[in-house]
Amino acid sequence: GAGVSQSPRYKVAKRGQDVALRCDPISGHVSLFWYQQALGQGPEFLTYFQNEAQLDKSGLPSDRFFAERPEGSVSTLKIQRTQQEDSAVYLCASSSGTSWNEQFFGPGTRLTVL
Amino acid sequence: AQTVTQSQPEMSVQEAETVTLSCTYDTSENNYYLFWYKQPPSRQMILVIRQEAYKQQNATENRFSVNFQKAAKSFSLKISDSQLGDTAMYFCAFMKHDGGDQAGTALIFGKGTTLSVSS
Repeated sequence: GAGVSQSPRYKVAKRGQDVALRCDPISGHVSLFWYQQALGQGPEFLTYFQNEAQLDKSGLPSDRFFAERPEGSVSTLKIQRTQQEDSAVYLCASSSGTSWNEQFFGPGTRLTVL
Repeated sequence: AQTVTQSQPEMSVQEAETVTLSCTYDTSENNYYLFWYKQPPSRQMILVIRQEAYKQQNATENRFSVNFQKAAKSFSLKISDSQLGDTAMYFCAFMKHDGGDQAGTALIFGKGTTLSVSS
């Protein structure tokens, strides 16, 4: 079956540009997470959705970061006025929300801000 | 707050040998889960093995096994009979038990250990 997909896989932006990163979770998965992985580091939590509701956004580093999941499936992470410190791999993970909640990860979007 | 520490940035091993990756964590929680994830170069992260903190028996998945020492807050991964395909970055991760279905519990990761397997 299809796993979690993310697009684009690579994105280069000039400082100050807005970007939008897309995540297609596994069909039927109610839970969706976004993580940020800086070079040489482990992923860090950004935000969590249960269906269309954003229940936790405590990890978003600034108000330039915004995420949505309007229909409870596809999610978009938007970064406004990008800065060089936003350069990272952005990982999306989904889970069924049952049992102990294994998270399945997408391949990530590598964002480079020049 | 919980933290996860992986003190070995890089490890290398020859095919068929055994290697152990270290992980320590800090938490005041009594119930939680621990995981090892594998991230091959330019490929997505996949779960290798998991351990529930309330279980004393160490988890095993084929060539992968853990040594879970709850009192010491240590959770090492042993890879036996290493294969070239084991080359990847390995992350130790912590998830607290929220008392429910864990639906919204985020993972807390260490910085990772890069493992290289050579022939």
